[in-house]
Amino acid sequence: GAGVSQSPSNKVTEKGKDVELRCDPISGHTALYWYRQSLGQGLEFLIYFQGNSAPDKSGLPSDRFSAERTGGSVSTLTIQRTQQEDSAVYLCASSLVPSGDQFFGPGTRLTVL
Amino acid sequence: QKEVEQNSGPLSVPEGAIASLNCTYSDRVSQSFFWYRQYSGKSPELIMSIYSNGDKEDGRFTAQLNKASQYVSLLIRDSQPSDSATYLCAVINQAGTALIFGKGTTLSVSS
Repeated sequence: GAGVSQSPSNKVTEKGKDVELRCDPISGHTALYWYRQSLGQGLEFLIYFQGNSAPDKSGLPSDRFSAERTGGSVSTLTIQRTQQEDSAVYLCASSLVPSGDQFFGPGTRLTVL
Repeated sequence: QKEVEQNSGPLSVPEGAIASLNCTYSDRVSQSFFWYRQYSGKSPELIMSIYSNGDKEDGRFTAQLNKASQYVSLLIRDSQPSDSATYLCAVINQAGTALIFGKGTTLSVSS
């Protein structure tokens, strides 16, 4: 079946602009996660959604970052007033159940000039 | 202390050999452990998960978990050049809401 999909695959933006990144999880997966991967920083958790429960936002690095998940499926990660340090690959993952095997999408490479 | 530690490598093995990748973690209550493979420029691909002490085998891959020593390893038998990648160890956090990743070990398999 189809895996996790993300769009766009690449995004180049100017410092100070807002960006929206989209994630479409595997059908039927209840849990959705956002991570980012920077050069030399490894993979770091951003936010977690599970059903109708309140999301775990503990990994969001600043209040410029926000995310929502509509209808328990598609999720959008929004970064406002982008900074150069936001440049990274943003990865979305989903799992069938909480704490279950997580499957990653192809990622969105964000470059802030 | 870093939560999940891996030797960055590179680990170099000849084709056909066994590659051994190691990972230690700091949180004694961790329950779920994962190994991912990541090719350059690609996203992480799940190899296997392990939850109980002992060995878990899947094809050429064997994961080993020792909770008392806070140690998890991945063995790759009959290594192939196509196994050359970065291998990421991950542990689920206490809340069960996120994976905590190590920095990864780069494996190079020479033909």
